[in-house]
Amino acid sequence: EVQLVESGGGLVQPGGSLRLSCAASGFTFNTYAMAWVRQAPGKGLEWVSRISGSGGTIYYADSVKGRFTISRDNSKNTLYLHMNSLRADDTAVYYCAKNLAVASSGPFDYWGQGTLVTVSS
Amino acid sequence: EIVLTQSPVTLPLSPGERATLSCRASQSVSSYLAWYQQKPGQAPRLLIYDASNRATDIPARFSGSGSGTDFTLTISSLEPEDFAVYYCQQRSNWPLTFGGGTKVEI
Repeated sequence: EVQLVESGGGLVQPGGSLRLSCAASGFTFNTYAMAWVRQAPGKGLEWVSRISGSGGTIYYADSVKGRFTISRDNSKNTLYLHMNSLRADDTAVYYCAKNLAVASSGPFDYWGQGTLVTVSS
Repeated sequence: EIVLTQSPVTLPLSPGERATLSCRASQSVSSYLAWYQQKPGQAPRLLIYDASNRATDIPARFSGSGSGTDFTLTISSLEPEDFAVYYCQQRSNWPLTFGGGTKVEI
């Protein structure tokens, strides 16, 4: 059974940093691209970033480019999102998501339960 | 960036009725369009990928159609558990984008 479990969310001040983790199990982690998608309270879904299975190809949304860094540790079956220079509009539930197919840009067939990031003073 | 516009924003229907949801892209996405269902407090669930392919364990009452810029998600006969928000998403171009959602409500 595929499982994705996010952690690391919480309350952080504007300008602060946070690292999210997503522990994966139930599939061959290093062969699938993974992504982070966020959802601000009461709003729709926003794709944040995507990393290939090897970690060699990475994409970011313009809204986070230069501030967020996606990475993965295939030896630990874990996906990360390092978030710096956080702003109020980064407040959201952050989901990690698994690519449906090994070599594609999506879509996402499994999602974690989400972790809430709140940026506020 | 490809903008996806979903309509209507809200769709009031009753159980047993047919639901037709629309997603229009600002430029062609070929068939690289997916549909998700999201219920309150839950993560999204993949329903349809590449415009018309049902994901694993998705009931046959859900179907997708379209290509290019115009896509449709049809729920042939609404079950009580189908009342939720539905999002389309394109994977044709970076950045990946989602539509604003359609809420199917009773």
